Amino acid sequence: AQTVTQSQPEMSVQEAETVTLSCTYDTSENNYYLFWYKQPPSRQMILVIRQEAYKQQNATENRFSVNFQKAAKSFSLKISDSQLGDTAMYFCAFMSAYTGTASKLTFGTGTRLQVTL
Amino acid sequence: ETGVTQTPRHLVMGMTNKKSLKCEQHLGHNAMYWYKQSAKKPLELMFVYSLEERVENNSVPSRFSPECPNSSHLFLHLHTLQPEDSALYLCASSQDRLAYEQYFGPGTRLTVT
Repeated sequence: AQTVTQSQPEMSVQEAETVTLSCTYDTSENNYYLFWYKQPPSRQMILVIRQEAYKQQNATENRFSVNFQKAAKSFSLKISDSQLGDTAMYFCAFMSAYTGTASKLTFGTGTRLQVTL
Repeated sequence: ETGVTQTPRHLVMGMTNKKSLKCEQHLGHNAMYWYKQSAKKPLELMFVYSLEERVENNSVPSRFSPECPNSSHLFLHLHTLQPEDSALYLCASSQDRLAYEQYFGPGTRLTVT
């Protein structure tokens, strides 16, 4: 079974600064997807960024980028130029490419990010 | 309405009550999911439906009963719940059961007294 670990329960960053959220995972599979989801205080979870394990290039979406280290099973999220609207819970998630009957997301426990003035 | 909607947003019920949570997706998706989100725990997948057929049941107690009458609607029927069932219940949908991107609703905050 896969596990996802987020070791930082809470983090704080000043507006316009850069912050990195950590995520490690454990799997015996070679082909899978990794995700970062954001859940603002209003609670609607939205996808921030995804990474396919077979791609060596790190995914980037505007101010959000990842550092994917497959051998180390590490998948960190970097937020550049932090904005107040980035305040949220951030969840790292894993999905096997071998989905069987249905796609299953395995989530970490989340990191609460507070962006301050 | 757009995306995935859930009603009610908040629900307080006693242990002997029967209630239902409703989820509706307006995205034309074929797969729908129920998750349980408890404080300081990872989201737990409860049920998966694909084309109105249940394809996954992650050892959820029988006091939770899902229903998917069509690909746009998903219900979670609740009866004789326990206080430890208090949590945020999230609904999600995806294009099909193999799609890697899931779209979430805002959740129903359930309190069992």
